[in-house]
Amino acid sequence: QKEVEQNSGPLSVPEGAIASLNCTYSDRGSQSFFWYRQYSGKSPELIMSIYSNGDKEDGRFTAQLNKASQYVSLLIRDSQPSDSATYLCAVKVTEYGNKLVFGAGTILRVKS
Amino acid sequence: NAGVTQTPKFQVLKTGQSMTLQCAQDMNHNSMYWYRQDPGMGLRLIYYSASEGTTDKGEVPNGYNVSRLNKREFSLRLESAAPSQTSVYFCASALSGHVSYEQYFGPGTRLTVT
Repeated sequence: QKEVEQNSGPLSVPEGAIASLNCTYSDRGSQSFFWYRQYSGKSPELIMSIYSNGDKEDGRFTAQLNKASQYVSLLIRDSQPSDSATYLCAVKVTEYGNKLVFGAGTILRVKS
Repeated sequence: NAGVTQTPKFQVLKTGQSMTLQCAQDMNHNSMYWYRQDPGMGLRLIYYSASEGTTDKGEVPNGYNVSRLNKREFSLRLESAAPSQTSVYFCASALSGHVSYEQYFGPGTRLTVT
């Protein structure tokens, strides 16, 4: 089992809809969780970080963390074509010290 | 602040040639990382440096060496390039010892080995 898993997609949503991206992880001791956005040909850009159970909102983005179920999700409200990108989930895995483990990413396509 | 910078942006090498990829950060971060990204493989850690003076292997270190020159700079060297090293290389930095542990990436180097 991979340590951080994401559905590769593509996830297609119409403009203005809510996009829901999911990520599961295997290490129960993980404490830090991150979402990165990566446009084609560009580097990953940190968009959200979350450390405690519940929701964290930043503009149109909401990160949700459920440590008991070992999943973290990213909701994008009022999706725009400019949100079309690959979204990477990253987890700081306890046994790996100062390193993050990245999922393979979910491709999001927002259709106008 | 420039954040994380990488040079060069593009490079073409012939098999057997050597080169060094440069990375620098101006965020006073103590940890730095080198990743490669290949289609369908995601980000894979090559080497990292938790702090100045230390380096450790990541998931795919074979064929690479690194140098943490000072707190700001972390270079990646390919001693004898192989076509399998054709990839996009990203450098990242983070403030370790802090609970957040957010990593910030440079713009990347696209390397082709023929």
